[in-house]
Amino acid sequence: QSVLTQPPSVSAAPGQEVTISCSGGTSNIGNNYVSWYQQLPGTAPKLLIYENNRRPSGIPDRFSGSKSGTSATLGITGLQTGDEADYYCGTWDVSLSAGVFGGGTRLTVL
Amino acid sequence: QVQLVQSGSELKMPGASVKVSCKASGYTFTTYGMNWVRQAPGQGLEWVGWINTNTGNPRIAQDFAGRFVLSLDTSVSTAYVRIPSLKAEDTAMYYCARLFCSGNTCWYDSWGQGTMVTVSS
Repeated sequence: QSVLTQPPSVSAAPGQEVTISCSGGTSNIGNNYVSWYQQLPGTAPKLLIYENNRRPSGIPDRFSGSKSGTSATLGITGLQTGDEADYYCGTWDVSLSAGVFGGGTRLTVL
Repeated sequence: QVQLVQSGSELKMPGASVKVSCKASGYTFTTYGMNWVRQAPGQGLEWVGWINTNTGNPRIAQDFAGRFVLSLDTSVSTAYVRIPSLKAEDTAMYYCARLFCSGNTCWYDSWGQGTMVTVSS
């Protein structure tokens, strides 16, 4: 069971938008910044969002992040078939003194 | 550019040991910490631990403490994870990931390609 809770799956049509939630507690999301990672099938994870809402260079502005209290959200607009992947939120948990991830959300672009 | 290149797949018997390497290039190795993340087949990401590449001090998640060993060879910019006594449930892809920190926050900004460790008799 993951420390951070994500929905197992989300789906939407090409061109539409989708949001993926990540829920935690005061010892993790409530106390730290959140990052998001995209894992395309058969590949290593890749950094998508850091410091809650910042995008590394090369990540399109279709991807956005936000955080409120003990929850964070990843938003993707203008969905493309190439966005089909597993998405993970991550942060540090001060009680566990450990990195923690969500269980992952599989995005299907119908 | 930053690159993390991991060693190849391993097939091991239960009770055997394995050592996975992660060779870094494109940056000063001792400037950034190195993390290890495990992903069992069909499962999510699981943080194994991280090692301070400046001091060699490791921090391992409670679930893996006492079994997993993190180490470095700074002369060749390489981090290692060793599992001394493998169990079937250690079958997983193991990733190294560079830890980038700014102020009081950190994230994993570069990842290795992964090393598949299969434990089977």
